[in-house]
Amino acid sequence: GENVEQHPSTLSVQEGDSAVIKCTYSDSASNYFPWYKQELGKGPQLIIDIRSNVGEKKDQRIAVTLNKTAKHFSLHITETQPEDSAVYFCAASQTGANNLFFGTGTRLTVIP
Amino acid sequence: SAVISQKPSRDICQRGTSLTIQCQVDSQVTMMFWYRQQPGQSLTLIATANQGSEATYESGFVIDKFPISRPNLTFSTLTVSNMSPEDSSIYLCSAAWDRAYEQYFGPGTRLTVT
Repeated sequence: GENVEQHPSTLSVQEGDSAVIKCTYSDSASNYFPWYKQELGKGPQLIIDIRSNVGEKKDQRIAVTLNKTAKHFSLHITETQPEDSAVYFCAASQTGANNLFFGTGTRLTVIP
Repeated sequence: SAVISQKPSRDICQRGTSLTIQCQVDSQVTMMFWYRQQPGQSLTLIATANQGSEATYESGFVIDKFPISRPNLTFSTLTVSNMSPEDSSIYLCSAAWDRAYEQYFGPGTRLTVT
């Protein structure tokens, strides 16, 4: 089955700086890669996703990049704000399959 | 966007008892799923809740321990049976509309077993 690794496990940045979280996956058949943000006491919220037919996707301060050859993908958050503080999970799946394979999570702290 | 709610939001239960968690979506969905998130850990899929038929369980999860119902396209329940402290976790339901892999999560149920 798919194995998703995520780094770092914790990340602290100053407000206004950028944050980068990286994930690698093992199954070359995976072609859908979502990112979730989980705030304390809440369920994961889908914030951005990318499919394997594109290399990069942006949504305001958030971007995701995908390198299919190396089997890794990254979340980039620019101009970080305190409200970006949360646990971020990457995941991998195949379109047509049900199962999302999650990474181990990154606790991001944005220091005001 | 649709609203996914869960009841209860949290509970403290004694070992040996059972708890049923409800998941309600405010629009009809194609698929519903149940996940477990142990403290400080990632999410693990328990099962896919199938409307009108038995749920499909992932390896390591069995129907006797985690019976699931899905009587219609907006509602599902997960029961955690004969609980032990090892069942203390957050239980999350998710829903998907057009694409099964594009899942949206409820707020979770935080279960503590004493």
